Amino acid sequence: QKEVEQNSGPLSVPEGAIASLNCTYSDRGSQSFFWYRQYSGKSPELIMFIYSNGDKEDGRFTAQLNKASQYVSLLIRDSQPSDSATYLCAPLTTDSWGKFQFGAGTQVVVTP
Amino acid sequence: NAGVTQTPKFRILKIGQSMTLQCTQDMNHNYMYWYRQDPGMGLKLIYYSVGAGITDKGEVPNGYNVSRSTTEDFPLRLELAAPSQTSVYFCASSYSRIHEQYFGPGTRLTVT
Repeated sequence: QKEVEQNSGPLSVPEGAIASLNCTYSDRGSQSFFWYRQYSGKSPELIMFIYSNGDKEDGRFTAQLNKASQYVSLLIRDSQPSDSATYLCAPLTTDSWGKFQFGAGTQVVVTP
Repeated sequence: NAGVTQTPKFRILKIGQSMTLQCTQDMNHNYMYWYRQDPGMGLKLIYYSVGAGITDKGEVPNGYNVSRSTTEDFPLRLELAAPSQTSVYFCASSYSRIHEQYFGPGTRLTVT
């Protein structure tokens, strides 16, 4: 079983600080990654897609991918109470024709 | 453009009963997915489809069946409901495996 691991949290972050979330994966065939955000009681929504080594920035969100070390991270700068949610990591592997395996997610709580 | 719709929103089943969860998308997406999410857990893939007439098992297919006779619809059938199937069920669709998945609002199912 190929694993996708995330710290479950909760990760408590003061408002205005940087939240750092990590995702490690065991399948070296993973080529790119999706980050989804899920508010409590709601369905997931995409916030980031990263497919190459290095950083990708989108507003206050930065994804960092290191294929050699098999981890991907998500940074949330200037955290706001509206960022309080669970963040799910999902790798896209070359051999998963349609299958996806999501991580269990990291719960982020931004405190005023 | 309604996106992905699911019915019903809530359902209580008795052990041994059967039901069908409906999922419809109006984005002309080829790929459709069914996930379940247990409390505090990530998404587990039940079944997926890469086009009309083509379906395949995901990570947790036991106790479920699917069909895909049209591009728009992807119903999930539960036969002989068991308490272990108590969960929130999400349907999702995407243009292809490398594109964003759009999720429906979910169906909260309780089996007692």
